[in-house]
Amino acid sequence: KNQVEQSPQSLIILEGKNCTLQCNYTVSPFSNLRWYKQDTGRGPVSLTIMTFSENTKSNGRYTATLDADTKQSSLHITASQLSDSASYICVVSPGDSGGYQKVTFGTGTKLQVIP
Amino acid sequence: DTGVSQDPRHKITKRGQNVTFRCDPISEHNRLYWYRQTLGQGPEFLTYFQNEAQLEKSRLLSDRFSAERPKGSFSTLEIQRTEQGDSAMYLCATEKLQGAYEQYFGPGTRLTVT
Repeated sequence: KNQVEQSPQSLIILEGKNCTLQCNYTVSPFSNLRWYKQDTGRGPVSLTIMTFSENTKSNGRYTATLDADTKQSSLHITASQLSDSASYICVVSPGDSGGYQKVTFGTGTKLQVIP
Repeated sequence: DTGVSQDPRHKITKRGQNVTFRCDPISEHNRLYWYRQTLGQGPEFLTYFQNEAQLEKSRLLSDRFSAERPKGSFSTLEIQRTEQGDSAMYLCATEKLQGAYEQYFGPGTRLTVT
């Protein structure tokens, strides 16, 4: 069964500090990996999308890395701001024709940035 | 605001009642997805449309759930004979057919079944 595991489950950091969130997946073959930010009570918003051939992708203070060999991805947030407080969800799509049902969402990392 | 809208934003209903949610996509987006999300979990796929055709439906989806996208624009999700276990956030997302896998999510409809 395809799985996406995220760690840590939750994280509290001081404003201005950096942090790194992890995503490990078992999906194979692999097509693409996405990171989303979800504010409480709102829909997810796309941060980065990486295909299997990409190693890194940046979006402002967010940088995602991908190691397709070890099936690991990380999301690094630089100089955190209070508005970064949200859940961050990793989503992995398979490379076969199994249909959309095989797209797997992680359960998210809940980040709280405190002043 | 991603450009995808959902209505209503909140719905409280009694067990056994029927409810219907609406999603209005970004106009040029061909694909439309429905997800369900419970607290502390990631979104769970329910169904998706390409234009007006419903191409996939989750095997976990009860017969009480039905979705339509009659003209390939807005979509509705209906839940009949609601149960307390249906309480969740229902998310709609849309995507261009060749949009590099980028989905745009709406704000969701929070359903509470009492």
